[in-house]
Amino acid sequence: EDKVVQSPLSLVVHEGDTVTLNCSYEVTNFRSLLWYKQEKKAPTFLFMLTSSGIEKKSGRLSSILDKKELFSILNITATQTGDSAIYLCAVEGTGNQFYFGTGTSLTVIP
Amino acid sequence: EPEVTQTPSHQVTQMGQEVILRCVPISNHLYFYWYRQILGQKVEFLVSFYNNEISEKSEIFDDQFSVERPDGSNFTLKIRSTKLEDSAMYFCASRAHTSYEQYFGPGTRLTVT
Repeated sequence: EDKVVQSPLSLVVHEGDTVTLNCSYEVTNFRSLLWYKQEKKAPTFLFMLTSSGIEKKSGRLSSILDKKELFSILNITATQTGDSAIYLCAVEGTGNQFYFGTGTSLTVIP
Repeated sequence: EPEVTQTPSHQVTQMGQEVILRCVPISNHLYFYWYRQILGQKVEFLVSFYNNEISEKSEIFDDQFSVERPDGSNFTLKIRSTKLEDSAMYFCASRAHTSYEQYFGPGTRLTVT
């Protein structure tokens, strides 16, 4: 059965800390892995990864994929209260089917 | 900035009734998706749609569900006979042919009583 597992389920940190969020997957015919940030309602896109070892960066956020070990990490450095959200990992498999993890709930305390 | 819109924002219906959830994807996008998120649970893929036909659907998307692009701008999800367990937030998303980035709409909260 195809699945995506995220860890930790929740995380509480202080402003300025660095966090690492994990996503492991078992998905048939992997095509891509995507990270989203979900605040109040709809997820917003962060990164799309298809190749191993190539780091994607956007400001304080970065992500990398390991297709051999079937996981990805999302790093956030110098966290701010505005980073508080649920971070979702999704993997695209066969056709256009997407599998989401349960998300990691990040709370950044001032 | 272009965005995906969804209507209504909240729909309350009685069990057994039909509902139609509406989405207007970004105008030059070619791929369309429906997802649902039951309160407190993960986002679940329902269906993807390209070139006027379903390209992939999940086990959740059974015969009670259907999608349509009736007029070249709207993308609808119909649930024929709603059940209590259909209560969830339903998200529409779209993406361009040249990008994997899906843009999500704000969602429709469906409550089945």
